[in-house]
Amino acid sequence: GENVEQHPSTLSVQEGDSAVIKCTYSDSASNYFPWYKQELGKRPQLIIDIRSNVGEKKDQRIAVTLNKTAKHFSLHITETQPEDSAVYFCAAEGLNAGGTSYGKLTFGQGTILTVHP
Amino acid sequence: DAGVIQSPRHEVTEMGQEVTLRCKPISGHDYLFWYRQTMMRGLELLIYFNNNVPIDDSGMPEDRFSAKMPNASFSTLKIQPSEPRDSAVYFCASSYSGQNTEAFFGQGTRLTVV
Repeated sequence: GENVEQHPSTLSVQEGDSAVIKCTYSDSASNYFPWYKQELGKRPQLIIDIRSNVGEKKDQRIAVTLNKTAKHFSLHITETQPEDSAVYFCAAEGLNAGGTSYGKLTFGQGTILTVHP
Repeated sequence: DAGVIQSPRHEVTEMGQEVTLRCKPISGHDYLFWYRQTMMRGLELLIYFNNNVPIDDSGMPEDRFSAKMPNASFSTLKIQPSEPRDSAVYFCASSYSGQNTEAFFGQGTRLTVV
């Protein structure tokens, strides 16, 4: 099955700096890669996603890049602000255990991002 | 729409007791997922359904765990008997059409087994 590795596990930056989180995946059949943000005590919420036919996607201060050949994708946050502090999860969508259906999201272990004022 | 609704928000139970977690997906969504979140193991997919049919339960940890989806608007995750190592936050999520689409998470149920 799919295996998603996420690095780093913790990341501390100063306000205004950039933050980069990287993920690798194992299943070449995976074709959808969302990123979720989870604030303390709250639910994960989608912040950006990318599909396998696109190499890069940007939404204001956040961007995601995908390298399907190398099977890795990254989240970039520019001009970080204290409210960006949260746990960030990458995920990869692949086939179910029987190999018959997509929709199965496998998550990375998460990155705790702390932005210091 | 109120989003994905889970109940209860918190559950404290004694080891050996049966626990039932409930989920109401967003109306119109045809995929429903159950996840477990712990510090040690992160977010793990336990089982997911498409049109009320279980598609993949390979993440269910053992026979003590079972999940049902009797109709499009309701699902349960049951643990019987519960053990302290089952303590975690359990999330339900739903999506429309499953593939390449956003999964919307509920607020989660924090389960503590003492």
